[in-house]
Amino acid sequence: GAGVSQSPSNKVTEKGKDVELRCDPISGHTALYWYRQSLGQGLEFLIYFQGNSAPDKSGLPSDRFSAERTGGSVSTLTIQRTQQEDSAVYLCASISGVAANTGELFFGEGSRLTVL
Amino acid sequence: SQQGEEDPQALSIQEGENATMNCSYKTSINNLQWYRQNSGRGLVHLILIRSNEREKHSGRLRVTLDTSKKSSSLLITASRAADTASYFCAALSFQGAQKLVFGQGTRLTINP
Repeated sequence: GAGVSQSPSNKVTEKGKDVELRCDPISGHTALYWYRQSLGQGLEFLIYFQGNSAPDKSGLPSDRFSAERTGGSVSTLTIQRTQQEDSAVYLCASISGVAANTGELFFGEGSRLTVL
Repeated sequence: SQQGEEDPQALSIQEGENATMNCSYKTSINNLQWYRQNSGRGLVHLILIRSNEREKHSGRLRVTLDTSKKSSSLLITASRAADTASYFCAALSFQGAQKLVFGQGTRLTINP
């Protein structure tokens, strides 16, 4: 696609349910990031995938959070047993392999998660 | 801890005035980037300045970088109502994983 695509754009779920958020990066981009943004706040780094290297999971807030990237393209962020404090916008961004360590990130529009 | 910290947290000025936002970071960096976020949208890249550069221009944007003070500034000249948005700096560190860490942002309001 022309840009980074995220789905769903909005998700309302009940506390305790599992949710999956999907990110389709720009074709050919080898690096992919997930960030979380609470209302009116900055971006909190969650996880970083770079090519075939082991992902940097240092930002995942708890073991209820996991992410995978299949075939080096689409990524899924899974939150198990959701809590109200998980409510936020989850942003995905990708970057081309050539510029992975120097260049700009291209962001999706985010998935807004509301946990009731 | 956050690699980029913006200052001020909020800024409100009149259309036509210049807006200056500052960013501080903690470790040695490869580059520093500024992004813009309109309410409820994703972030859009504005400008990147490398660690060996001191100043960079792009249209009405001017970015400076002072590696001795570990700080950067973003100047928007002749502001317009459409510049109303949140602005974030993000530093790419040499140390540890090659990930961009963002600050809390500056919420800029341009009053017509």
